[in-house]
Amino acid sequence: IAGITQAPTSQILAAGRRMTLRCTQDMRHNAMYWYRQDLGLGLRLIHYSNTAGTTGKGEVPDGYSVSRANTDDFPLTLASAVPSQTSVYFCASSATGDSSYNEQFFGPGTRLTVL
Amino acid sequence: AQKVTQAQTEISVVEKEDVTLDCVYETRDTTYYLFWYKQPPSGELVFLIRRNSFDEQNEISGRYSWNFQKSTSSFNFTITASQVVDSAVYFCALSEARSGGYNKLIFGAGTRLAVHP
Repeated sequence: IAGITQAPTSQILAAGRRMTLRCTQDMRHNAMYWYRQDLGLGLRLIHYSNTAGTTGKGEVPDGYSVSRANTDDFPLTLASAVPSQTSVYFCASSATGDSSYNEQFFGPGTRLTVL
Repeated sequence: AQKVTQAQTEISVVEKEDVTLDCVYETRDTTYYLFWYKQPPSGELVFLIRRNSFDEQNEISGRYSWNFQKSTSSFNFTITASQVVDSAVYFCALSEARSGGYNKLIFGAGTRLAVHP
């Protein structure tokens, strides 16, 4: 089934630990995104990638890093997790990254709790 | 500055009632796009509609309809004859044509709709 997969579904993590959230899409979309969803704040963009090999910072990039080695995968890494990074993380993709016309398609989300 | 405001945090209705979810946006651009997404209890985000700033025609899709009014910077969403399956969080989002090199979506905080039998 075409779409976006994310792993893990949920995770409880001790503060200070390193964690990588995985995201894979099979729609051959050029652009991919990572958002975090917090109650009352909607979704906020963490990082994005317009095409393989390029990445950029969104609204709330501090404490997170990404890489885009190929079209399909866009992992998000928390180098040293802190409790304020407790959130639901969504990966998304769109056909192109430089056109605001394209709707974004979202993965099922990863619920992360940092203790 | 770009901003999307969904003033209704939660709405509760009884099945078969009509309900309107409000969305007000702020942008300095003349070209922009507006979106609605649905997030059911299962958690995924589902794209519902896209509207560009040059098309103010209302749109109807089954029980769903959207009213876009540039004069009031609003893009409201109405569900007619609501059903329990409509229970979800609904997000309005804005994307500007000149977004600095990427497809930047600005989301509202969301409106949680509960439809009771």
